[in-house]
Amino acid sequence: EAQVTQNPRYLITVTGKKLTVTCSQNMNHEYMSWYRQDPGLGLRQIYYSMNVEVTDKGDVPEGYKVSRKEKRNFPLILESPSPNQTSLYFCASSLKTGIPYEQYFGPGTRLTVT
Amino acid sequence: AQSVSQHNHHVILSEAASLELGCNYSYGGTVNLFWYVQYPGQHLQLLLKYFSGDPLVKGIKGFEAEFIKSKFSFNLRKPSVQWSDTAEYFCAVNVPSSASKIIFGSGTRLSIRP
Repeated sequence: EAQVTQNPRYLITVTGKKLTVTCSQNMNHEYMSWYRQDPGLGLRQIYYSMNVEVTDKGDVPEGYKVSRKEKRNFPLILESPSPNQTSLYFCASSLKTGIPYEQYFGPGTRLTVT
Repeated sequence: AQSVSQHNHHVILSEAASLELGCNYSYGGTVNLFWYVQYPGQHLQLLLKYFSGDPLVKGIKGFEAEFIKSKFSFNLRKPSVQWSDTAEYFCAVNVPSSASKIIFGSGTRLSIRP
């Protein structure tokens, strides 16, 4: 089954404790992206990747890192989480870059930073 | 900078009522346009998309949207809503020249009274 998976689905952590949210897709998609969803603000793009070893900042990249060492995986790293990073995070992928292909979204990761 | 506006934050309708959700974007050039839906507790799914051709686009579940270039709008419509349409709806814009950045609106929550 074609899908985007994220782990963990729920995470409660404390300020400053490094964490990684994994994202994996099995559709051989080139493009992957991370979003955060906050009430009243919709989805805001954090980082995106157009292919292996090619990543770029979205609208809200501060406090986040990403890597794209393999085509299928695009982990989101919070080196020193803070309470303002409490949010619902979605990973997405699409077949190509720069073309209006549909994005496929993962199930989301709800992160709480205390 | 490009932006997407969804002026209706929460819409409440009765079953069988007609629906129109507004979406306006700020960019004068070529755009690709999307509507995504997020059912309660689920991830985003594509409803429909426009990138060229007929400005009236038909999507899944009886939804359609009309691209009006002169008004920078891409409003979503459905002639008769059902209780199962209760969800949050997001309009999104992709500017092909901006290296795959995709900008989402803040979303419209649709509640349908049975």
